Amino acid sequence: GAGVSQTPSNKVTEKGKYVELRCDPISGHTALYWYRQSLGQGPEFLIYFQGTGAADDSGLPNDRFFAVRPEGSVSTLKIQRTERGDSAVYLCASSSSTGPGNSPLHFGNGTRLTVT
Amino acid sequence: GNSVTQMEGPVTLSEEAFLTINCTYTATGYPSLFWYVQYPGEGLQLLLKATKADDKGSNKGFEATYRKETTSFHLEKGSVQVSDSAVYFCALSITGGGNKLTFGTGTQLKVEL
Repeated sequence: GAGVSQTPSNKVTEKGKYVELRCDPISGHTALYWYRQSLGQGPEFLIYFQGTGAADDSGLPNDRFFAVRPEGSVSTLKIQRTERGDSAVYLCASSSSTGPGNSPLHFGNGTRLTVT
Repeated sequence: GNSVTQMEGPVTLSEEAFLTINCTYTATGYPSLFWYVQYPGEGLQLLLKATKADDKGSNKGFEATYRKETTSFHLEKGSVQVSDSAVYFCALSITGGGNKLTFGTGTQLKVEL
């Protein structure tokens, strides 16, 4: 694909429900990142994958959040028992190298999650 | 910890005006510095970067100089265009400290004819 693809673009769910957000990175990019952007704020780091493994998950806010990348390409961010405070735009990015200082991150357009 | 502070928006300018968006940072290690831009309806894009002190990043007429003595990375453009209207984010990552970008809150720029 031409860029990072995120689906769905919008997701509305009820408090307490489970949601999955999908990210399809640029082909060949080994590094994949998830960020969360609340209204009026900059993106906040959640988790980073190098290949299939999570290299750094220190940004996940609690154990309701989980992400996988089983084949080293597509990644899914999973949120259990959603809360209204989870409402935000969830951004995915990929890069061809292991550090933002070495190669640029390419961001998708994000999934806007609204928890009612 | 690491943090980025940038001027609040929106910043409204007339076409061909000079632009400055201030950005300062605090970092526990040695950072690389970035400006990202988000045009309406599009994803974040890297605008420019600098990886060491006194480096100047430049792209599309925008410039920013890594100033270690003032912990700043101000974004400038000599003559803005309507097409520059977007949200601009200053960000840092720590060399050797992981692969996380720490972003500022973003500054919205509106350029009018």
